[in-house]
Amino acid sequence: EAGVAQSPRYKIIEKRQSVAFWCNPISGHATLYWYQQILGQGPKLLIQFQNNGVVDDSQLPKDRFSAERLKGVDSTLKIQPAKLEDSAVYLCASSPRSQETQYFGPGTRLLVL
Amino acid sequence: QQPVQSPQAVILREGEDAVINCSSSKALYSVHWYRQKHGEAPVFLMILLKGGEQKGHEKISASFNEKKQQSSLYLTASQLSYSGTYFCGPFSSGSARQLTFGSGTQLTVLP
Repeated sequence: EAGVAQSPRYKIIEKRQSVAFWCNPISGHATLYWYQQILGQGPKLLIQFQNNGVVDDSQLPKDRFSAERLKGVDSTLKIQPAKLEDSAVYLCASSPRSQETQYFGPGTRLLVL
Repeated sequence: QQPVQSPQAVILREGEDAVINCSSSKALYSVHWYRQKHGEAPVFLMILLKGGEQKGHEKISASFNEKKQQSSLYLTASQLSYSGTYFCGPFSSGSARQLTFGSGTQLTVLP
């Protein structure tokens, strides 16, 4: 069974630029999560989708971050404009249903200069 | 609010035991435990459900005290492969049922 796929794996941008991350969850998983993990900290949930609907985006900085999950499968997370403090690893995870085991992708390491 | 993990870091010799604690200020529905190796994504270890039994995984087991809103992870006869950062992820009760990861416990197993 293929795991969660993410791209790109690494991204370096300058502040005020925009960036987008892509995630393809495990086939059949209804729930998709985007996390931000700053060095030395635990993952912080940014947004949770159930199929193509948003379940929780309470910690998503909506003035600069946006996410969508078209057709309830792939998802993209966008940052525009990026700030220095956005430097982190962005993890995508999926689970068959909410509150079940989450399977994480390899993450995208973002460095904002 | 983020759950509190203790200790923040622990160094062991191969074969020694360790306990990692996780405490939440919210009423819990379940607790997940994940391990993350340096530069890699978190990997699921186990889930403990409210009213459920203690779970085990190889020589790693865990308990969940619903009344105290606490969970503990027990690593027995640690192996070099156990090194990594351990995160608890409690699911709070209520309509939100959001999983909030703890700050992590860095475990280093030396030969």
